[in-house]
Amino acid sequence: DQQVKQNSPSLSVQEGRISILNCDYTNSMFDYFLWYKKYPAEGPTFLISISSIKDKNEDGRFTVFLNKSAKHLSLHIVPSQPGDSAVYFCAAPAAAGSYQLTFGKGTKLSVIP
Amino acid sequence: EPEVTQTPSHQVTQMGQEVILRCVPISNHLYFYWYRQILGQKVEFLVSFYNNEISEKSEIFDDQFSVERPDGSNFTLKIRSTKLEDSAMYFCASSRDRGLARPYEQYFGPGTRLTVT
Repeated sequence: DQQVKQNSPSLSVQEGRISILNCDYTNSMFDYFLWYKKYPAEGPTFLISISSIKDKNEDGRFTVFLNKSAKHLSLHIVPSQPGDSAVYFCAAPAAAGSYQLTFGKGTKLSVIP
Repeated sequence: EPEVTQTPSHQVTQMGQEVILRCVPISNHLYFYWYRQILGQKVEFLVSFYNNEISEKSEIFDDQFSVERPDGSNFTLKIRSTKLEDSAMYFCASSRDRGLARPYEQYFGPGTRLTVT
C-alpha cells in the first residue's frame, strides 16, 4: 500500500516569501500525487497534481516538484499570501489501479502578514 | 462553480442508533466516495461507488456501513448501529470519468460531523 508521510506538522512563513511543503512516499510502483488544501470546517480542496512522467507541474503560484529517486515531492507557494493559511495534505492512490486516496497527516501553513 | 454538498453539517446520535449521512455529488460526476477523519488523525478512505456498485472499500467499511444512490442526485452513507469510535468528520467526494487525463482528482464536500454519545 502507498504510504504518504508529511513529517512537518506546521510551517510559518512571512507574507510574500516562499512556502515549501514536503511529502515522502514509500512505494514507487504507483506514480500520481495530489495536493489538497483544507480550511477549518471545510472539506479538502484539490490544489494541484503531478504524475511521474513529469518532475514539475506549475499552476499559478503553486508548483509541485517530484523527485522519484528520493521518493519525495514538494509543494512550493510563491509568493505566499495570508489566504494560503490552511492545512495542506499530500495524497496518492493507495495502490496501482486504485482510486482510493491515501492522505498524509497534513502540514498546517501559517502565512504571517 | 459546481460543488459537492452534504447534509446535515452536524449529527449527534446515541450509541447503537442508525444514522444516514447524505451527499449530493457534482452533477456530471460518475464516481463517488466516502472518507472520514477522526479528530487529530488522517483522512481515511471508506468506500468508492460507481454504476450502482461498490468499487473499492477499506477494512473500516465493515457490515455496519452501507452506501446507496437512491435517486439520480443523492449518495448516502448509512451506519446501522453507531459506536463511540464512529465519531468523526465524514466527507463525501466525487470525480469525473476516469478515462480523462486526470482521473484521480476528487472533489470533496464540506463534511458532516458525526458525534456518537
